[in-house]
Amino acid sequence: QLLLQESGPGLLKPSEPLSLTCSVSGDTLTTTSFYWGWIRQPPGKGLEWIATISSSGGAYYNPSLQSRFTISLDTSKNQFSLQKNSVTPSDTALYFCARLVHNSAYYFWFDPWGQGTLVTVSA
Amino acid sequence: DIQMTQSPSSLPASVGDRVTITCRASQNIDNYVNWYQRKPGKAPTVLIYAASTLQSGVPSRFSGSGSGTDFTLTISSLQPEDFATYYCQHTYRTLGGTFGQGTKLEIK
Repeated sequence: QLLLQESGPGLLKPSEPLSLTCSVSGDTLTTTSFYWGWIRQPPGKGLEWIATISSSGGAYYNPSLQSRFTISLDTSKNQFSLQKNSVTPSDTALYFCARLVHNSAYYFWFDPWGQGTLVTVSA
Repeated sequence: DIQMTQSPSSLPASVGDRVTITCRASQNIDNYVNWYQRKPGKAPTVLIYAASTLQSGVPSRFSGSGSGTDFTLTISSLQPEDFATYYCQHTYRTLGGTFGQGTKLEIK
């Protein structure tokens, strides 16, 4: 059974860097048919896709976020990460990691998701 | 960016009701739409992908339809465990896409 578990700093001050990690068990990140992604949900708001990375390390970002985030793989630890150089209060959200799967017709969907890690940005 | 407008934002309903949630895309997205369910404190789970394909293990009372810009998620007979928040998502020419704002299905 594939399990994903997010970890993060919890509380950050504005302008501090953000680093989140998703630990994957039950599969390897290098399985070529899968991609891996990050999605967030600010309090009281909807879901927002942030970034996706392929098993070979190709990165894809939500153009609305202007690539302020960086997604990366650590195959030695079977983890993938999300980083941002400097956070603002608008980055306060529950951050989820998820596997992006597809069928033979290349329809994609996120499954499964981790439980999420809350990041609060406050002075 | 393609916007997904989901309605209603809140839907009071009773066990046994047939309910429909709609999602409208800001442009033609063929049938690249997924539907997710999220319960409080739990991770989202996929119900429907490619607009109408039921994910393995999801009860058959859930169904999806639509193509182009208008999509619907229907629950044929609400069960107590179905009270949750539902989200649509498009994946048209993207490896991520945009989600709708969500529909909270509440007990009437």
